[in-house]
Amino acid sequence: NAGVTQTPKFQVLKTGQSMTLQCAQDMNHNSMYWYRQDPGMGLRLIYYSASEGTTDKGEVPNGYNVSRLNKREFSLRLESAAPSQTSVYFCASSGRTGGWNSPLHFGNGTRLTVT
Amino acid sequence: AQSVTQPDIHITVSEGASLELRCNYSYGATPYLFWYVQSPGQGLQLLLKYFSGDTLVQGIKGFEAEFKRSQSSFNLRKPSVHWSDAAEYFCAVGFGNDMRFGAGTRLTVKP
Repeated sequence: NAGVTQTPKFQVLKTGQSMTLQCAQDMNHNSMYWYRQDPGMGLRLIYYSASEGTTDKGEVPNGYNVSRLNKREFSLRLESAAPSQTSVYFCASSGRTGGWNSPLHFGNGTRLTVT
Repeated sequence: AQSVTQPDIHITVSEGASLELRCNYSYGATPYLFWYVQSPGQGLQLLLKYFSGDTLVQGIKGFEAEFKRSQSSFNLRKPSVHWSDAAEYFCAVGFGNDMRFGAGTRLTVKP
């Protein structure tokens, strides 16, 4: 009964380094999302994938890329990390078929620090 | 622009007291509304949701929320708070392909 699994849980990068955050869900959901959480700002959408083979920008996409590898997996890549990308990153999935008739299910997050 | 406002950054209540967390939204159409709870170091867990119908919705852990269209509000309530309710609470609105979140309200429970 794993739900949404994210790896790693913690990561420290130096400015300019790259990394990929991994996410997998076992609920057979079509939609997957990457959010970042910053103090006092709630969660903001970085990218989403409405279905396998499609990805779209969210509210704060700059500096990130994503790949929907298959229906289960959705990865987030930082090509050249910057201190402004220090944040907690959450992957989520939803079984929504129209509107928001199904909620988001979240992973436990990745805490990223860029020095 | 669509937005979600949680006016209270931090609330402290005594164990056993009642709780109300406020949420206001700005959205033109009938909203999809949610409340999530986040314990330290954890992801967000759904407490309850509103799509349509009865404006008073029941959720898990004894929480309820009331949708008031005239006030653009979706406040979360609990009659008697337990120490384990200490956490951060987020109100959210489903908008297009995004779910927009408020900034959160941190709840502290005094013994």
